[in-house]
Amino acid sequence: DQQVKQNSPSLSVQEGRISILNCDYTNSMFDYFLWYKKYPAEGPTFLISISSIKDKNEDGRFTVFLNKSAKHLSLHIVPSQPGDSAVYFCAARDTGRRALTFGSGTRLQVQP
Amino acid sequence: DTAVSQTPKYLVTQMGNDKSIKCEQNLGHDTMYWYKQDSKKFLKIMFSYNNKELIINETVPNRFSPKSPDKAHLNLHINSLELGDSAVYFCASSQNRAAYEQYFGPGTRLTVT
Repeated sequence: DQQVKQNSPSLSVQEGRISILNCDYTNSMFDYFLWYKKYPAEGPTFLISISSIKDKNEDGRFTVFLNKSAKHLSLHIVPSQPGDSAVYFCAARDTGRRALTFGSGTRLQVQP
Repeated sequence: DTAVSQTPKYLVTQMGNDKSIKCEQNLGHDTMYWYKQDSKKFLKIMFSYNNKELIINETVPNRFSPKSPDKAHLNLHINSLELGDSAVYFCASSQNRAAYEQYFGPGTRLTVT
């Protein structure tokens, strides 16, 4: 039972353009949503988060949008840079267990 | 300075053996976690400890036993290793059990032959 889904396993964009990574969830008890970035042979590193009571959070080139009615969130990276090439995981925390549930990741490749 | 460290980074062993993976965090956090990244790349929570107390214990075979000697360390011991235990295991920590941001170690790739 996948409560957090990232349906696009990979995405390729040109340097300077916008990258949009998508994530869908099913559990209404999630209170925080997070994006993690992962390079090969490293652990995931926290990128940006959003509370379930908000619909947008911005940090520099990274913006996360949350659509609660659609149970959908997205990460926008503008402008994309080659160093952004990595696997991006969407994660959500439920209020009860306070554990993170992860999606399967989207591999982003930014072409110079 | 490494915030969350794990040893070893790679572990190759045979079926039936017993092995341990160690995790240490120097962030002063109260809560630590073990995740397993399976072949489909999902990271799934296995255990969580808060100040040495077990607070999350997912449906994991009892061959897996976490041990937290102090709040900066959370080790994972695995008995009678099976082929299906092959995966990457990540340790993580958060400031406390209410904090949603978790910091991950580099992972330990376990291969059971």
